[in-house]
Amino acid sequence: QSVLTQPPSVSAAPGQRVTISCTGSSSNIGAGYNVHWYQQLPGTAPKLLIYTNSNRPSGVPDRFSGSKSGTSASLAITGLQADDEADYYCQTYDRSLSGSVFGGGTKVTVL
Amino acid sequence: QVQLQQSGPGLVKPSQTISLTCVVSGDSVSSTSAGWSWIRQAPSRGLEWLGRTYFRSKWYNDYAVSVNSRISFSADTSKNQISLQLNSVTPEDTAVYYCARGTTLFTPFDSWGQGTLVTVSS
Repeated sequence: QSVLTQPPSVSAAPGQRVTISCTGSSSNIGAGYNVHWYQQLPGTAPKLLIYTNSNRPSGVPDRFSGSKSGTSASLAITGLQADDEADYYCQTYDRSLSGSVFGGGTKVTVL
Repeated sequence: QVQLQQSGPGLVKPSQTISLTCVVSGDSVSSTSAGWSWIRQAPSRGLEWLGRTYFRSKWYNDYAVSVNSRISFSADTSKNQISLQLNSVTPEDTAVYYCARGTTLFTPFDSWGQGTLVTVSS
């Protein structure tokens, strides 16, 4: 059971929009700690996708966006493409555990 | 550009020790603006942070509660590498192990190793 809760899967047709939620608690996201998002393509290491809630590293398309409110964060992907099929993870700091924590991951399927 | 290259055995027997190494290029493991974490991913499971090592005038280690009693980190600055040792392993420790760079516990992991699949089996 992950400290951060994500839906196991989401799906949409090419060109559509999907959102992935990441729900935490008052000891992590709700305490004000920043949320980061990673994309993991099959058989590869995770790649930083969004940092500090809503910032994109160089090279990440603006189709990817992040937001945070209260005890939750969200990742949105617009203009869905076939190569967006991957697992997506949120991550933050948890003060009760005194360490980094991840969500359980969400598999994005392009129909 | 920072690169992390991992190495280590792919098969370990139960009750023995997992030993992995992560060689860093493009940054210094003893940089006072970097931290080096180990993260694992059990088959078809999510990511689990195991802890980190970092240098701030001396070496510090933070370990995840779940493995605190069995894990240790070390660094070899002459080889610019960090290492992980996980003792008394069981089949539940079977996973892909990653090293990754992050500045603090609050910042993201911006560079990752390629991952090492370690299977615990007799």
